[in-house]
Amino acid sequence: DQQVKQNSPSLSVQEGRISILNCDYTNSMFDYFLWYKKYPAEGPTFLISISSIKDKNEDGRFTVFLNKSAKHLSLHIVPSQPGDSAVYFCAASARNSGYALNFGKGTSLLVTP
Amino acid sequence: EAGVAQSPRYKIIEKRQSVAFWCNPISGHATLYWYQQILGQGPKLLIQFQNNGVVDDSQLPKDRFSAERLKGVDSTLKIQPAKLEDSAVYLCASSLEVGELFFGEGSRLTVL
Repeated sequence: DQQVKQNSPSLSVQEGRISILNCDYTNSMFDYFLWYKKYPAEGPTFLISISSIKDKNEDGRFTVFLNKSAKHLSLHIVPSQPGDSAVYFCAASARNSGYALNFGKGTSLLVTP
Repeated sequence: EAGVAQSPRYKIIEKRQSVAFWCNPISGHATLYWYQQILGQGPKLLIQFQNNGVVDDSQLPKDRFSAERLKGVDSTLKIQPAKLEDSAVYLCASSLEVGELFFGEGSRLTVL
């Protein structure tokens, strides 16, 4: 059963515009959320995270928003750059499961010049 | 700081053969994870170690998969016998603190 869902397999955005990637989760025990970025033939690399006690975390061009009541989080990239083209995975973890990450299926972002 | 090392990067075997993957985590990272990523899917946890003890192996197909982490450092993941559906990238990750995992480049397995 998929506890973390990314319903958009792909997204195409023009350079300079905002990219918004969405993620939904079903397990109310999740208390820590992360976004990972993955290039072909490489392992996922950590991008940004947010604890359930917050509703927003910002790091440069990347901002993650968490809506606990809706069990929804989103990643905003602004401005988008061609180098941001990659697969983005949403992940969630819970204290009672040893903080192992549960991943969504990923969204492939293409930023066009 | 050296990252998570995995080998081999690529492996092709026939079904019913066996294969082993090796992982060396980042120095000092007590927690080590093996994930399986099938094409088009997100990584799925197979097993989590804390030092050399197993924390979670509930999704490890124990009839054919085994993993060990001797001395709380390196780890090996073995598949015997392999099935066609085991074709995937096997990712090793380690962590020092809660939440952020550092991944290796993965070992891509093709079962023919």
